[in-house]
Amino acid sequence: GQQVMQIPQYQHVQEGEDFTTYCNSSTTLSNIQWYKQRPGGHPVFLIQLVKSGEVKKQKRLTFQFGEAKKNSSLHITATQTTDVGTYFCAGLPGSNYQLIWGAGTKLIIKP
Amino acid sequence: GAGVSQSPSNKVTEKGKDVELRCDPISGHTALYWYRQSLGQGLEFLIYFQGNSAPDKSGLPSDRFSAERTGGSVSTLTIQRTQQEDSAVYLCASSKESTSRVNEQFFGPGTRLTVL
Repeated sequence: GQQVMQIPQYQHVQEGEDFTTYCNSSTTLSNIQWYKQRPGGHPVFLIQLVKSGEVKKQKRLTFQFGEAKKNSSLHITATQTTDVGTYFCAGLPGSNYQLIWGAGTKLIIKP
Repeated sequence: GAGVSQSPSNKVTEKGKDVELRCDPISGHTALYWYRQSLGQGLEFLIYFQGNSAPDKSGLPSDRFSAERTGGSVSTLTIQRTQQEDSAVYLCASSKESTSRVNEQFFGPGTRLTVL
């Protein structure tokens, strides 16, 4: 079936270091969305990418959608404690209505 | 404006009992989703509603799970004869979907179900 693989499962960083999570789809996607879930919270929408090769920035967060529309990444520059949480990608295959979710990458700031 | 609400926030039940979880989506959102999330895990899709109809029930784990949506608004997820493996957080999300594009999903706070 259609899958979206997301890696890594966890990433431990020192505060101030960068963080990146990657998603790869088995099929071409119409768009991809990114969500953040804080510990104990629910997923909150961050952004949606639609165009091939699209790059969007939100302050220290940079989102990319691959040229083939099968992969995407989220990069956080100079992580802060407020960035802690799990980041999920969710892709929409073709004209299907159902988002296919990645397993999430948990960002952990080392004490 | 009000977001997605879910009730109860916590539910503790005994194995074998039935439970009913409620989701109140954002007004005007035609699409409604139920997910399940076990501790530290990702989101497991359960069912999707477009209006009152459920074109995709493929994620329901067993025939003990059912869901309905009435009036294009409130939805209830019912789990019959609960088992311990049903323990999880049940998340509901709604979306103002159109046929031309899919908008972001807005999640409720979830119902934490514990089956003893």
